[in-house]
Amino acid sequence: NAGVTQTPKFQVLKTGQSMTLQCAQDMNHEYMSWYRQDPGMGLRLIHYSVGAGITDQGEVPNGYNVSRSTTEDFPLRLLSAAPSQTSVYFCASSSPSSPDNEKLFFGSGTQLSVL
Amino acid sequence: AQKITQTQPGMFVQEKEAVTLDCTYDTSDQSYGLFWYKQPSSGEMIFLIYQGSYDEQNATEGRYSLNFQKARKSANLVISASQLGDSAMYFCAMRGHNQGGKLIFGQGTELSVKP
Repeated sequence: NAGVTQTPKFQVLKTGQSMTLQCAQDMNHEYMSWYRQDPGMGLRLIHYSVGAGITDQGEVPNGYNVSRSTTEDFPLRLLSAAPSQTSVYFCASSSPSSPDNEKLFFGSGTQLSVL
Repeated sequence: AQKITQTQPGMFVQEKEAVTLDCTYDTSDQSYGLFWYKQPSSGEMIFLIYQGSYDEQNATEGRYSLNFQKARKSANLVISASQLGDSAMYFCAMRGHNQGGKLIFGQGTELSVKP
């Protein structure tokens, strides 16, 4: 059971480039979400999804797109990378119907630098 | 709006002693959940403990307990018998009513355990 898998672990982009951070979970969780963590700050919600085909914005959605075509996958797209998007990105999943229904399972994170 | 406040940016504790990490929250929801996560220097987010707003008993998980004082809107984490491996960042987080997968995080407290 792999849990939540994020790729890549590290990425360096130039300003204006686009890329997709991948997130996959094998626990059949309905809820998936993306957070970013900046130095000295807690995690902030970017986008989340309560099921395939349903997404919504979080606290800091600008500059990011998401889609949820399957239960397993929830990719995060940076449309035109900016230095302000340099951060560590975490994907998470959870399920209201599992025994651990209140626990968010996090991926190991992606460290992104935009030059 | 929901908010989590952690007022201790950093704390020190002697090995084998107990330590309390403070967390206060603000919400107008009657039903909500409170979480603590640990983030060691390796970067992963580790779930520690959960408290539901309607839970009458304080949550406990091994050496971790959550001191839930609903009227004061506080959810302090108590770590008993500190170990060197407890040195890490600790985040308090909250989920509002019907907000599965969407957590609001505090800024974190960095705990250092001294031998």
